[in-house]
Amino acid sequence: AQSVTQPDIHITVSEGASLELRCNYSYGATPYLFWYVQSPGQGLQLLLKYFSGDTLVQGIKGFEAEFKRSQSSFNLRKPSVHWSDAAEYFCAVAALSSASKIIFGSGTRLSIRP
Amino acid sequence: EAGVAQSPRYKIIEKRQSVAFWCNPISGHATLYWYQQILGQGPKLLIQFQNNGVVDDSQLPKDRFSAERLKGVDSTLKIQPAKLEDSAVYLCASGKSGGSSYNEQFFGPGTRLTVL
Repeated sequence: AQSVTQPDIHITVSEGASLELRCNYSYGATPYLFWYVQSPGQGLQLLLKYFSGDTLVQGIKGFEAEFKRSQSSFNLRKPSVHWSDAAEYFCAVAALSSASKIIFGSGTRLSIRP
Repeated sequence: EAGVAQSPRYKIIEKRQSVAFWCNPISGHATLYWYQQILGQGPKLLIQFQNNGVVDDSQLPKDRFSAERLKGVDSTLKIQPAKLEDSAVYLCASGKSGGSSYNEQFFGPGTRLTVL
């Protein structure tokens, strides 16, 4: 069965600094991979997804993620964070055979230092 | 277009009481999902509907949880009786199509349940 690990529970970065959130997955083949963001009191919003092809995926709000098969990783990056990026970020995975069944990681809470 | 609507937004009950949550998906979306998100964890799928039929309820604690989507539109999730460990945010999501292929899910704001 597939699973997702987000090793960082909480990260604080300064406004304007770069960001990288880590995600490792466990699955026998290349799965579908996702990053979601959850702002306080709001539902989850899809930032980006990877199915196949180019391993560098561009998403909304200036985020990107890179799929690295050799490391079973799908890290999320942003070159310069804004205070409005403070939120909870979830990495998620789905099997190709049941792509509507998404398995979420435990999340990384991002705080922004002024 | 209007998003996924959920009510109530907050609910506090005592253990052994019953509670129900309501979800109205995006118009025209055939697939509806209920997730449970315990504090400090990611959402966990409880049940998936395709129109008014259940596609996956393998992680739904059926001794106390039930869900229905009678007319293939809105849905209710019920807990009876509630336990302390049911304290969580219950998220509803909907998607356009169904089946096993990818179907982008759009999430509602959730209902935060506290069981005392």
